Amino acid sequence: GENVEQHPSTLSVQEGDSAVIKCTYSDSASNYFPWYKQELGKGPQLIIDIRSNVGEKKDQRIAVTLNKTAKHFSLHITETQPEDSAVYFCAASQWGSNYQLIWGAGTKLIIKP
Amino acid sequence: ETGVTQTPRHLVMGMTNKKSLKCEQHLGHNAMYWYKQSAKKPLELMFVYNFKEQTENNSVPSRFSPECPNSSHLFLHLHTLQPEDSALYLCASSQDYAGVGEQYFGPGTRLTVT
Repeated sequence: GENVEQHPSTLSVQEGDSAVIKCTYSDSASNYFPWYKQELGKGPQLIIDIRSNVGEKKDQRIAVTLNKTAKHFSLHITETQPEDSAVYFCAASQWGSNYQLIWGAGTKLIIKP
Repeated sequence: ETGVTQTPRHLVMGMTNKKSLKCEQHLGHNAMYWYKQSAKKPLELMFVYNFKEQTENNSVPSRFSPECPNSSHLFLHLHTLQPEDSALYLCASSQDYAGVGEQYFGPGTRLTVT
């Protein structure tokens, strides 16, 4: 079955710098890759997602890139701000069928002032 | 209330107790989920209900018993739990269950089994 590896488990960056979180997946049939952000005391919230028919997607300061050949995808956050501090989860699944989301273990992002 | 709500937010129970977790979604969605979240581990999907019918049960021990009386409410009945069941239990909903599409999560119930 599908397996998703996420790195690093903790990432500390200076405010204003960029942060990159990477995930690899094992099932080449996976074609949907969302990223969720979980703030303290809250449930995860979708922040961006990408399907395998595109290589990159941007939304203001966040972007996701996908390399289908290498089976990895990454979350990029530019100009980090204190409110970016949270745990970020990647996941993988297959669009249009009853396949479960398979989740990574999460990355705790710490923004240093 | 908007979104997905969960009660109680915190629960401490002994191994011989019986308790229930409640989830309610105000989004008009058709699919609801229970997840277990343990520190530094991937979210573990426990149960999925689509149009009130259970569609997934990921080999969850029988001491966890879900109930979905209608598409807005989801319960997780707990009995004779083990200390390793201590975790954050998250409820989520989505428009339909297609394995994908945005899932909306509640804040979770922090469960401690003593």
